[in-house]
Amino acid sequence: DGGITQSPKYLFRKEGQNVTLSCEQNLNHDAMYWYRQDPGQGLRLIYYSQIVNDFQKGDIAEGYSVSREKKESFPLTVTSAQKNPTAFYLCASSVVDRTTTLYSYNEQFFGPGTRLTVL
Amino acid sequence: QKEVEQNSGPLSVPEGAIASLNCTYSDRGSQSFFWYRQYSGKSPELIMFIYSNGDKEDGRFTAQLNKASQYVSLLIRDSQPSDSATYLCAVRIGGGSNYKLTFGKGTLLTVNP
Repeated sequence: DGGITQSPKYLFRKEGQNVTLSCEQNLNHDAMYWYRQDPGQGLRLIYYSQIVNDFQKGDIAEGYSVSREKKESFPLTVTSAQKNPTAFYLCASSVVDRTTTLYSYNEQFFGPGTRLTVL
Repeated sequence: QKEVEQNSGPLSVPEGAIASLNCTYSDRGSQSFFWYRQYSGKSPELIMFIYSNGDKEDGRFTAQLNKASQYVSLLIRDSQPSDSATYLCAVRIGGGSNYKLTFGKGTLLTVNP
């Protein structure tokens, strides 16, 4: 089955700890994204990557770090510098059509999410 | 600041009625518009995509886009209890190599049997 997997489903973090959330996709997508969702809120972009070994900060990158060493994998580390990390974290991926015109269709496919709670 | 605004709801409609969900956006450079459905505790799934002014229909769903008014809407005909979910509007600003989406906060829809 093709898709995006995230692990773990639930994660508990103590104050001052770094934790890493896993995201793997077998859709052969070039682009991958990390979002954070708080209760009653939309999705806010943390980091994104459109090619291996390259990534860009999103709107709320402070306190987070990522790596993109393989096309299939885009792990997110929540560092102790992130003061309010309790949230639902969603990973997504999409194609990158380099021949596209202005109106490209680039559906983002989402993983099942990781719910992080700080104890 | 690029913003996408949605009424948070909840929007409550009876089964069989038409549900109308609205979204406005601030950046006139916005090019592509997406509607995602998110069930409670689950991840979003795409239900509609539109980029041209006018209506686009897919089954019971119709997306409407008016770029002059910076407004996109989603109509759900013959609403079913299984349509009860949060609907997220997402906007792709710009084109070319920019693949980022900006999401609204979502509208919670409840369809009552």
